[in-house]
Amino acid sequence: DQQVKQNSPSLSVQEGRISILNCDYTNSMFDYFLWYKKYPAEGPTFLISISSIKDKNEDGRFTVFLNKSAKHLSLHIVPSQPGDSAVYFCAASGGGSQGNLIFGKGTKLSVKP
Amino acid sequence: NAGVTQTPKFRILKIGQSMTLQCAQDMNHNYMYWYRQDPGMGLKLIYYSVGAGITDKGEVPNGYNVSRSTTEDFPLRLELAAPSQTSVYFCASTPYLATDTQYFGPGTRLTVL
Repeated sequence: DQQVKQNSPSLSVQEGRISILNCDYTNSMFDYFLWYKKYPAEGPTFLISISSIKDKNEDGRFTVFLNKSAKHLSLHIVPSQPGDSAVYFCAASGGGSQGNLIFGKGTKLSVKP
Repeated sequence: NAGVTQTPKFRILKIGQSMTLQCAQDMNHNYMYWYRQDPGMGLKLIYYSVGAGITDKGEVPNGYNVSRSTTEDFPLRLELAAPSQTSVYFCASTPYLATDTQYFGPGTRLTVL
């Protein structure tokens, strides 16, 4: 049973517009959430994270929002750039995972020029 | 710093063969991880280590073995390769906790025929 769900396998956005990637989780004990970005033939790289005590975290063009009551988080990229085209993984930690990360299946973002 | 390195990049095995996937990090990180990523799926944790001499099972350990004799190296052993082990394997490391940023290697693409 998936504890971290990314229900959109792919997303296509025009350059300059906002990209919104969504992630849902089922374990209410998760207390830390991360987004990783992955280009083809490379390993994932860390993008941004958020603790459960916050509801928003910003880093440049990237903002992560956390809605604990809905068990939902989202990653906003504004403005989107062609170089943002990659697979984005949501991950969660806590709640009996022994501190290890539980990953979603990923969303492939395509930013068109 | 080279970061996390993995060898080989690609490998084709016949059913029943054995091999070792190598992983090394030069960041003096305590925690190291092995993940596998199947097509269209997220990363699943195979084994992890919290320090030299200490290893533990992750979500999908069957068919694999690990050892951690030094801080730097964390090899993954496949004893009797099966087609179900066809996947991309990623090694990662963090300084202290899984909630720290995980640094990933470039991956090893393994095909078992």
